[in-house]
Amino acid sequence: DIQMTQSPSSLSASVGDRVTITCRTSQDIRNFLAWYQQRPGREPKVLIFGASTVESGVPSRFSGSGSGTDFTLTINSLLPEDVATYYCQKYDTVPWTFGQGTTVDIK
Amino acid sequence: QVQLVQSGGEVKKPGASVKVSCKASGYTFRSYGISWVRRAPGQGLEWMGWVRDIRGDTVYAQKFQGRLTMTTDSSTNTAYMELRSLTSDDTAMYYCARVRIAVTGNPGDIWGQGTLVTVSS
Repeated sequence: DIQMTQSPSSLSASVGDRVTITCRTSQDIRNFLAWYQQRPGREPKVLIFGASTVESGVPSRFSGSGSGTDFTLTINSLLPEDVATYYCQKYDTVPWTFGQGTTVDIK
Repeated sequence: QVQLVQSGGEVKKPGASVKVSCKASGYTFRSYGISWVRRAPGQGLEWMGWVRDIRGDTVYAQKFQGRLTMTTDSSTNTAYMELRSLTSDDTAMYYCARVRIAVTGNPGDIWGQGTLVTVSS
């Protein structure tokens, strides 16, 4: 199976900061990568699919980039409501593995 | 309104089975797949498998082979996930998610609210 490495595992940033989370796969998955946000006590919510396509209704401060094996989720200008755990997920072939998650909180 | 509504929480004894339902509304059920994902306490998200309703094909993660069954009922727009031979390691929140089948696709654009399954003697 393809291995997923998501980093960092956690980060603390100030309101207004730019936050970057990375996801690396052990094999080329083209652009078949999604990013999710899971707030405490809530179901996951898709932010990005196809590596860089922002899901309808998602604020424009969220963006995704990358292809092949290296991917990035960027939050421009962090807000208090962005406190959550973020996951990447590959879906080129099964299994559709998730990254380990990145917990984001506010300094 | 497009939504997935899951059945209520369950408490099961080790060795038992659990069947969780996921009722879809607000869209054409046959045109999308359904994926199942769980999150154990203190752990991350774990993909379990998915079903393509348009053909009924299912694919399960290797670790669940032999004790997991996913089905759909097009007459009621409901998906089901049955997990057998439960152990305490299966205690988790279980989610269903709609899968958008397209060129790029989207493995989880709408999610259910989650069903807590607790396995305890």
